[in-house]
Amino acid sequence: QKEVEQDPGPLSVPEGAIVSLNCTYSNSAFQYFMWYRQYSRKGPELLMYTYSSGNKEDGRFTAQVDKSSKYISLFIRDSQPSDSATYLCAMTSQGAQKLVFGQGTRLTINP
Amino acid sequence: SQTIHQWPATLVQPVGSPLSLECTVEGTSNPNLYWYRQAAGRGLQLLFYSVGIGQISSEVPQNLSASRPQDRQFILSSKKLLLSDSGFYLCAWSRGTGNTGELFFGEGSRLTVL
Repeated sequence: QKEVEQDPGPLSVPEGAIVSLNCTYSNSAFQYFMWYRQYSRKGPELLMYTYSSGNKEDGRFTAQVDKSSKYISLFIRDSQPSDSATYLCAMTSQGAQKLVFGQGTRLTINP
Repeated sequence: SQTIHQWPATLVQPVGSPLSLECTVEGTSNPNLYWYRQAAGRGLQLLFYSVGIGQISSEVPQNLSASRPQDRQFILSSKKLLLSDSGFYLCAWSRGTGNTGELFFGEGSRLTVL
């Protein structure tokens, strides 16, 4: 079993839809959770960073962490074609030098 | 502000030829540095990471090597490339002290081995 599981998709939704992207994990020591967005042929960019359970909102993006269920989500409201990209979840524990990444979900927003 | 530069952006190399990819970070000191590879349609594979000059940790056995000759410089090398070395190579950095996990990536180097 992988430490982090993420459905690779692809996921295709119409413009304006609410998108939900999810990851599950098995290591209860994970404390820091991140979402990266990667456009085609580009390096990943940090989109959201959360610590501890709960929600964090940034514009149209909301990151949610449920440590009891070992489950994290990224919600995109009012999705735009420019949101089309691969989204990778990543997480790590206190003092660790490395992130553990999900496989990434390829998302397409159709105009 | 911190920036990361990676080059070359694209290269095509014959099997058996050497490789050198270079990465530099500006605007920070004592960063942790990382080399990842991303095969087409697949996730990120950590190849090497470094917590200081001359300190290299290898994650997977392969014909690649890494070096950190200066605090903010990280180099990925190979003496003889294989077809399987083709991929998208990403350099990344994180804070060395007070690290809370955030990684910041370069733009990537796309390598095709023919």
